[in-house]
Amino acid sequence: QSALTQPASVSGSPGQSITISCTGTSSDVGSYNLVSWYQQHPGKAPKLMIYEVSKRPSGVSNRFSGSKSGNTASLTISGLQAEDEADYYCCSYAGSSTFLVFGGGTKLTVL
Amino acid sequence: QLQLQESGPGLVKPSETLSLTCTVSGGSISSSSYYWGWIRQPPGKGLEWIGSIYYSGSTYYNPSLKSRVTISVDTSKNQFSLKLSSVTAADTAVYYCARQVYGDYLLDVWGKGTTVTVSS
Repeated sequence: QSALTQPASVSGSPGQSITISCTGTSSDVGSYNLVSWYQQHPGKAPKLMIYEVSKRPSGVSNRFSGSKSGNTASLTISGLQAEDEADYYCCSYAGSSTFLVFGGGTKLTVL
Repeated sequence: QLQLQESGPGLVKPSETLSLTCTVSGGSISSSSYYWGWIRQPPGKGLEWIGSIYYSGSTYYNPSLKSRVTISVDTSKNQFSLKLSSVTAADTAVYYCARQVYGDYLLDVWGKGTTVTVSS
């Protein structure tokens, strides 16, 4: 069982927007603005898409955005494209004892 | 640009110790701006952070694996290593090494991963 809870799957049609939630606790997501999101295509290494809740690394499309409310972080992808079909993982700093925790991952299907 | 490459045996027997090395190229492992981490992914499952090390040797481990994990760094070779003892089939996974930004805890550069199977 993962420390952070994500929906197992989400889907959307090209051009639509989808949101993936990531629910933690007051010991991780709720306490730190240190949530990151990773995209993973089959057989590939994860790729950083969002860090510090809502910041995008250079080169990541502005169709990807992040937010947080309380113990839940969210990743929104707007203008869905076929290439966005992948697994998405959230990750949060969880203090000096636990350090880092991942979500269980969400499979995004572009219909 | 910075690249990370995992290496080590692809097959380990149950109860033995899994040993992997990550070689960093295109940058120095001795930078004060980064940790260096190990993450694994069992077949068909999600990501699990194993642990991280700073160039000085300071380490942080996943509490659920801490009793079996040792991460070390060799700055002269620009490498860091993972040892996981008393392995079982549950340790079968793709093992990734990654660069972790100090203070932000994000993993911004990843190796391609190496598959380790635990089987007799």
